[in-house]
Amino acid sequence: DAGITQSPRHKVTETGTPVTLRCHQTENHRYMYWYRQDPGHGLRLIHYSYGVKDTDKGEVSDGYSVSRSKTEDFLLTLESATSSQTSVYFCAISESPMNTEAFFGQGTRLTVV
Amino acid sequence: AQSVTQPDIHITVSEGASLELRCNYSYGATPYLFWYVQSPGQGLQLLLKYFSGDTLVQGIKGFEAEFKRSQSSFNLRKPSVHWSDAAEYFCAVGLPSGNTPLVFGKGTRLSVIA
Repeated sequence: DAGITQSPRHKVTETGTPVTLRCHQTENHRYMYWYRQDPGHGLRLIHYSYGVKDTDKGEVSDGYSVSRSKTEDFLLTLESATSSQTSVYFCAISESPMNTEAFFGQGTRLTVV
Repeated sequence: AQSVTQPDIHITVSEGASLELRCNYSYGATPYLFWYVQSPGQGLQLLLKYFSGDTLVQGIKGFEAEFKRSQSSFNLRKPSVHWSDAAEYFCAVGLPSGNTPLVFGKGTRLSVIA
């Protein structure tokens, strides 16, 4: 299995609090992604990174920010969590965005109450 | 922008029966095409991919998919389904250039009955 670790795996937080999810890889892949998965919506891209300090927005980036200060770590931050951000969050990595396999982490289940 | 459509939200098949999951994409050129599987509580795993060449591609776990340019489709098939195939299946599309990440369909949930 590709070396991707998401932490935490489960989190319950209160509305209005900041939350940071971490994705750590040991594969030295250039590209890293954050998706959220919701019933009826499949996987939707939040943000992605194509190198250290190089990030871009996905289709559902509002309310989220990311940082990548090292190749191996990609952080997703909810500045002020809302109930609509209750979801399962997946991190993925790939050597290139389109023609190589994307490897996925196990997911983080976030509940905002 | 490219899009991916999986018309079937949920499919139920009997164990041992054949399976076909549909995927249609919208893009001017031929994109890269992928099928992923997600078992309950797990991340996604690549089943197979198509870049070019032979339009029938073989994947893991006995799955295959056929690219049909005229129909903009990339349907996933398996001749005989096993109970362990119950999962959610996602079709994904990648552009042949640039930094654009994969675009995923909304998924098809497969249930297998005895």
